[in-house]
Amino acid sequence: DAGVIQSPRHEVTEMGQEVTLRCKPISGHNSLFWYRQTMMRGLELLIYFNNNVPIDDSGMPEDRFSAKMPNASFSTLKIQPSEPRDSAVYFCASSRTVEGYGYTFGSGTRLTVV
Amino acid sequence: AQSVTQLGSHVSVSEGALVLLRCNYSSSVPPYLFWYVQYPNQGLQLLLKYTSAATLVKGINGFEAEFKKSETSFHLTKPSAHMSDAAEYFCAVIGSGTYKYIFGTGTRLKVLA
Repeated sequence: DAGVIQSPRHEVTEMGQEVTLRCKPISGHNSLFWYRQTMMRGLELLIYFNNNVPIDDSGMPEDRFSAKMPNASFSTLKIQPSEPRDSAVYFCASSRTVEGYGYTFGSGTRLTVV
Repeated sequence: AQSVTQLGSHVSVSEGALVLLRCNYSSSVPPYLFWYVQYPNQGLQLLLKYTSAATLVKGINGFEAEFKKSETSFHLTKPSAHMSDAAEYFCAVIGSGTYKYIFGTGTRLKVLA
């Protein structure tokens, strides 16, 4: 099992540019989560998908952020336009919809917006 | 609403000493509880989890945690710290019937030679 795969590992972009982060969950996992981690705010849940359907997007900070899950093996998180305050580490995690199963996290994408 | 409190944002121990990282949860019913470890520049890795099967839970790398309902606690321990244990540790809770973690604010463990 290759685990949750995220790409790219690092992204440096200029303010105003579009950024797309990618995630491949573990095969057989039907729940997918996007988190953002910063020193100031810790871990924040951005959006939760179950069976490819967005269930809870209350953590998405603004309309500049959007997420999709076109199929069970792929999800994207897009920021357009990006701003310096979006600089953070973005994690994807997947799980099975079984109580108490627990999440498996990817290695994250470190985004720097200059 | 569910919540977890991790006491101590930074903990330092000497190599070979006992590691104790504290986590208290608030819940009217026993939830599912987890400890995760995050090494520098890496994602979170599951150390152990409590799912009501046993109150003393053993995890990877010699860590264990005990669920104490009377104290609403789930503290993480390791008898003898190793330099490689230096990392940030997160306690998390999921309420019954939900799939959304509530994370603690994390405790950064430093191991002194």
